[in-house]
Amino acid sequence: NAGVTQTPKFQVLKTGQSMTLQCAQDMNHEYMSWYRQDPGMGLRLIHYSVGAGITDQGEVPNGYNVSRSTTEDFPLRLLSAAPSQTSVYFCASRDTGTSYGYTFGSGTRLTVV
Amino acid sequence: EDKVVQSPLSLVVHEGDTVTLNCSYEVTNFRSLLWYKQEKKAPTFLFMLTSSGIEKKSGRLSSILDKKELFSILNITATQTGDSAIYLCAVVHTGNQFYFGTGTSLTVIP
Repeated sequence: NAGVTQTPKFQVLKTGQSMTLQCAQDMNHEYMSWYRQDPGMGLRLIHYSVGAGITDQGEVPNGYNVSRSTTEDFPLRLLSAAPSQTSVYFCASRDTGTSYGYTFGSGTRLTVV
Repeated sequence: EDKVVQSPLSLVVHEGDTVTLNCSYEVTNFRSLLWYKQEKKAPTFLFMLTSSGIEKKSGRLSSILDKKELFSILNITATQTGDSAIYLCAVVHTGNQFYFGTGTSLTVIP
């Protein structure tokens, strides 16, 4: 049981480049989210999805796109990377309707130069 | 605006000390409060609290919720270097939105 798998673990981008952070879960969770974590800011919600074909914006969605074509996968796309997007990104999933808690991926450390 | 505030932001203690971490919240339609421990990588779940006054305990860690005063505390007794981590508090709205605090960074010195 792999849980939540995120790739890559580390990435360096140049300003203006685009890329996709991959996230996959094998727990059949309906609810998936992307967070970014910055020093002193805690975890901030970027986008989330309550099921395949349904996505919505979180607290800090600008500069990011998501899609949810299957229950398992929830990729995060950076359209045109900016230094302000330097952060650690976490994908997380949980059962809809329970507040038991998220299962988090291991994170992606992204640096934009 | 819904918010979760943790204090202190950081803490340095010696092994064997007892620490208390605080989480206060202003979240309408409260459903539950969760504590997570984050070491080098992903946060891992510690406790879920839904009712006031009922202590959750796991080894040297314990937590309690006060829904009237809108706060929770996480206690760690006889701290060890392995307790060094960021401790995150999250409050869950009845709409299933999670609101995370900024975390408390705990460092335990041998």
